[in-house]
Amino acid sequence: AQSVAQPEDQVNVAEGNPLTVKCTYSVSGNPYLFWYVQYPNRGLQFLLKYITGDNLVKGSYGFEAEFNKSQTSFHLKKPSALVSDSALYFCAVRANAGNNRKLIWGLGTSLGVNP
Amino acid sequence: EAGVAQSPRYKIIEKRQSVAFWCNPISGHATLYWYQQILGQGPKLLIQFQNNGVVDDSQLPKDRFSAERLKGVDSTLKIQPAKLEDSAVYLCASSSGTSGWEQETQYFGPGTRLLVL
Repeated sequence: AQSVAQPEDQVNVAEGNPLTVKCTYSVSGNPYLFWYVQYPNRGLQFLLKYITGDNLVKGSYGFEAEFNKSQTSFHLKKPSALVSDSALYFCAVRANAGNNRKLIWGLGTSLGVNP
Repeated sequence: EAGVAQSPRYKIIEKRQSVAFWCNPISGHATLYWYQQILGQGPKLLIQFQNNGVVDDSQLPKDRFSAERLKGVDSTLKIQPAKLEDSAVYLCASSSGTSGWEQETQYFGPGTRLLVL
């Protein structure tokens, strides 16, 4: 069965420090991987995605993520966190073949950036 | 470019009442999704449309939920009758649907927050 895990409910970092939000997945075959961010009382906003090609994907607002096939991970990173990055982050995965191509969402990781 | 529009933004009803939500996707987007997001959880797909056809409604509770996209543009999601456990945010998303919907970015509306008392 397809699944995605975000092992940390909450991540706290100081402004200016690097941040990492973790995501691991399980799918049959090759995955399509997505990161979204959700600010309070707002819908989900797309950050970046991995479809194929270069394992390092760069996205919006200075975020990037690295696809690691051997570790089945797609961790979200940013070199220098901003207070305005404080939000809820969701990882999602979809198989690119087979009968079940439903987008599976993680439970989310709440990121707090302290000034 | 206008984003995905949803209305109403908030709705409070009593259990056993009915409620409807409306979504207008980004212009030209062929694929439309309805999600349910319960507090503390990730979005759960209720139904996916490709133009006016249903691609996936396997997680839609069909005894009480219905959705339509008659002209392949805007869509309505209805709950009748509502239960307490339907309290959630209902998100609509769309994608272009032109080059393999599995790879496409989904663009979300602001959501409708439903409270069932």
